[in-house]
Amino acid sequence: AQSVTQPDIHITVSEGASLELRCNYSYGATPYLFWYVQSPGQGLQLLLKYFSGDTLVQGIKGFEAEFKRSQSSFNLRKPSVHWSDAAEYFCAVGESNTGNQFYFGTGTSLTVIP
Amino acid sequence: NAGVTQTPKFRILKIGQSMTLQCTQDMNHNYMYWYRQDPGMGLKLIYYSVGAGITDKGEVPNGYNVSRSTTEDFPLRLELAAPSQTSVYFCASSRTGGVNTEAFFGQGTRLTVV
Repeated sequence: AQSVTQPDIHITVSEGASLELRCNYSYGATPYLFWYVQSPGQGLQLLLKYFSGDTLVQGIKGFEAEFKRSQSSFNLRKPSVHWSDAAEYFCAVGESNTGNQFYFGTGTSLTVIP
Repeated sequence: NAGVTQTPKFRILKIGQSMTLQCTQDMNHNYMYWYRQDPGMGLKLIYYSVGAGITDKGEVPNGYNVSRSTTEDFPLRLELAAPSQTSVYFCASSRTGGVNTEAFFGQGTRLTVV
């Protein structure tokens, strides 16, 4: 079965510091990969997605992610974190073999300290 | 600019009561989804619909029912509320059903069953 692992439940970074959120997936074929952000009291918003091609993808709000097939990873990065980036981040895998379902990781909560 | 709208935002139910969570979208999307999000867990798919009149079970459908009489609306029904249904519920929609398509989420309904 497909699975998505986000090993870090909670991360704290200082404003202006760099950020990397980890995501590992289990899927036989080339996956469709997504990162979503959930601000407090809000729904999920798509940050970026990877389907094929260049393994480094750019998203909104200055985020990027790199697909590494050999490591089954799709880590999210940002060079300089802003206080407004404090939120919950979810990695998701789209799976087409059994009915076009999305599988979400358990999320990483990001705290930004001034 | 509404997107996906869910009502209510918060609700407390007693065990055995019933209620309907409303979801409407104004993007003319064919696909709609209901997810639940439990603390420390990723989103789990409850039901989805590929168009008006067509619904199908997701990963955790027990205790829920859905209907899709129009393209815009996809209500989720809880017939006999149980404490295990305490969760945050998200409705989402997408233009197509492929896993290479972005899903748009509502702001969520926080349900507590006591």
